[in-house]
Amino acid sequence: EADIYQTPRYLVIGTGKKITLECSQTMGHDKMYWYQQDPGMELHLIHYSYGVNSTEKGDLSSESTVSRIRTEHFPLTLESARPSHTSQYLCASSYGGLREQFFGPGTRLTVL
Amino acid sequence: AQSVAQPEDQVNVAEGNPLTVKCTYSVSGNPYLFWYVQYPNRGLQFLLKYITGDNLVKGSYGFEAEFNKSQTSFHLKKPSALVSDSALYFCAVALNQAGTALIFGKGTTLSVSS
Repeated sequence: EADIYQTPRYLVIGTGKKITLECSQTMGHDKMYWYQQDPGMELHLIHYSYGVNSTEKGDLSSESTVSRIRTEHFPLTLESARPSHTSQYLCASSYGGLREQFFGPGTRLTVL
Repeated sequence: AQSVAQPEDQVNVAEGNPLTVKCTYSVSGNPYLFWYVQYPNRGLQFLLKYITGDNLVKGSYGFEAEFNKSQTSFHLKKPSALVSDSALYFCAVALNQAGTALIFGKGTTLSVSS
C-alpha cells in the first residue's frame, strides 16, 4: 500500500467557495502530480512538481493552483469553485526518472 | 499527436481462462509504456512498465505485457484470470524520460465471472 494520502475523500460544496484539496506523501518522492478523472474517462494531468518550489501546468488546462513548499505536501486550491469543477482529483508521486507513480485514493469533488 | 488507445471499454472472461486487455500507442521517439489498475474507490496501482529490453514484461499479481513495436501495441495478459482481477485497467505512455508527462488511455473494465 502506497503512503500517499488525500483529504477530504469526498467534498460537496457550493458555487463560489474556495477549496483546498490536500495531498501528502511519506515516501520522500521528489516528483508529485495532480490528475483529474471524470467517470469512465482517462486521467488528465493538470499540475506537476519536480521538487520544492517547482510547479508546472499539465496538458489539461485548469483554473486550480498548486504549491510545493515542502517535499511531502502538494495541495491544490480552487479560489472559486464552479459546477464545471465537479470531478475526481487524484494525487500521485514518484522518485526519479521513469519510475512508477504512486497514487492516492482520490478526492471526489461535487460543486453545486 | 501522441496518444494511447484502449479499443475495448469492457472485457469479460471466465475465471481460470486467459485474459488480454489491449493497448495501442502512437508516439514519436521511444515509447515508455505502463499499465495501472484501479479498484473501486481506490487510487491507481502500478502493474508493470516497458522502458527498453525484453519485449515480454512481467509485473505484479501474475500479469505480463508484450511490447510489439511493429504493431505499436502493449497488450496486458494473464494466463489464468481470477475474480479478484475485476477492475479498471489503464494503459499509459510517458512522453519524456523524466516520466513527468503520462498520457492515459480511457481505461478498460475487466469483469471476471466465477
